[in-house]
Amino acid sequence: RKEVEQDPGPFNVPEGATVAFNCTYSNSASQSFFWYRQDCRKEPKLLMSVYSSGNEDGRFTAQLNRASQYISLLIRDSKLSDSATYLCVASRGATNKLIFGTGTLLAVQP
Amino acid sequence: GAVVSQHPSRVICKSGTSVKIECRSLDFQATTMFWYRQFPKQSLMLMATSNEGSKATYEQGVEKDKFLINHASLTLSTLTVTSAHPEDSSFYICSAREGQGVWSTEAFFGQGTRLTVV
Repeated sequence: RKEVEQDPGPFNVPEGATVAFNCTYSNSASQSFFWYRQDCRKEPKLLMSVYSSGNEDGRFTAQLNRASQYISLLIRDSKLSDSATYLCVASRGATNKLIFGTGTLLAVQP
Repeated sequence: GAVVSQHPSRVICKSGTSVKIECRSLDFQATTMFWYRQFPKQSLMLMATSNEGSKATYEQGVEKDKFLINHASLTLSTLTVTSAHPEDSSFYICSAREGQGVWSTEAFFGQGTRLTVV
């Protein structure tokens, strides 16, 4: 079992739709959590950090539930430019190393 | 924002040769750098963590004699794939942080190196 698990998708949604991604992590020692976005053949880019209190950045809302070891990302009013792979990431250890999930592919259709 | 430069972006080499990949932090001092590998349609897998001036820490299953990591300065880490074989063909990405542990900044990623071994 992978340490950070996601539904690989693909999620095919029309423009304007709301889409939610889920992620679970198995190592309770994980300290911080993030969502990254990766476009095809490019390096991942930080989308947002995830906090237990929930946090929002424009159309993006992230939530963390430490008790159930569950992380979510909600994208409202999807744009064509949101098409990418979304990576759920946990960090842990003295070096704060990042452990990546398998990624969820989102394809927003016109 | 902080910039991490990785070079080369793409390399094709013959089986049995060695390839060196450089990762530089351009506007900050990176105490810790991380090396990842990503196979097609898979996620990033951490290979090793390198700390300036000390030996790298390798993840389980990663051969340290095959993937040589050197972090000689606070702005440069190198990964050398020795005696490369076709199964080593992959996308290699580095990331860097300023500071250490929970006091470190977010991780900044290089542009990645696509290695093809023929």
